[in-house]
Amino acid sequence: DQQVKQNSPSLSVQEGRISILNCDYTNSMFDYFLWYKKYPAEGPTFLISISSIKDKNEDGRFTVFLNKSAKHLSLHIVPSQPGDSAVYFCAAPESSGNTGKLIFGQGTTLQVKP
Amino acid sequence: DAGVIQSPRHEVTEMGQEVTLRCKPISGHDYLFWYRQTMMRGLELLIYFNNNVPIDDSGMPEDRFSAKMPNASFSTLKIQPSEPRDSAVYFCASSLRGGLAGVRAKTQYFGPGTRLLVL
Repeated sequence: DQQVKQNSPSLSVQEGRISILNCDYTNSMFDYFLWYKKYPAEGPTFLISISSIKDKNEDGRFTVFLNKSAKHLSLHIVPSQPGDSAVYFCAAPESSGNTGKLIFGQGTTLQVKP
Repeated sequence: DAGVIQSPRHEVTEMGQEVTLRCKPISGHDYLFWYRQTMMRGLELLIYFNNNVPIDDSGMPEDRFSAKMPNASFSTLKIQPSEPRDSAVYFCASSLRGGLAGVRAKTQYFGPGTRLLVL
């Protein structure tokens, strides 16, 4: 049972335009969500997060939106830059117990064309 | 802080050989995670530790895989014997989940990974 899903394996956008990466989840008990970015030959790095008590969190060019009723979150990058080309993972802390374990989606590869 | 340190960064070995991957977590972090990334399966959690104690090893693919954390600053992931299907990138991550960590507690910090190729 995949509790966190990223249904789009890849996305290509033009530099300067908006990139929208989507993530769906099945467990309504998730109370926090994170986005990670991964460049080739590097480990994933934390990008931005959102608590379930909010519906939006913004950090510079990156904004995460949360729609709890739809169990959906999205990451918006505006404007997109070639350096944003990477794999993006959404994740949520395992809700059962206080384990510290994150449930990751499969990732979406973003390509920003100059 | 230097972040999570992994060694080696690259490992090429022959089938049947023993492989040992090493990880030094961020100082003060009390959780340590081992992941494997492949094209087919994405990012898989293999095992994780809390205060040096293994909590969940249900992701370890088979008995050929073992992990230890002898102290708070060091962990190993061992594959013996290795097989070509073990070829992947292995990541170590750590996090802090102590009482005052707050929202930072939910964030894991990843090392650069070890790229393993078993011939």
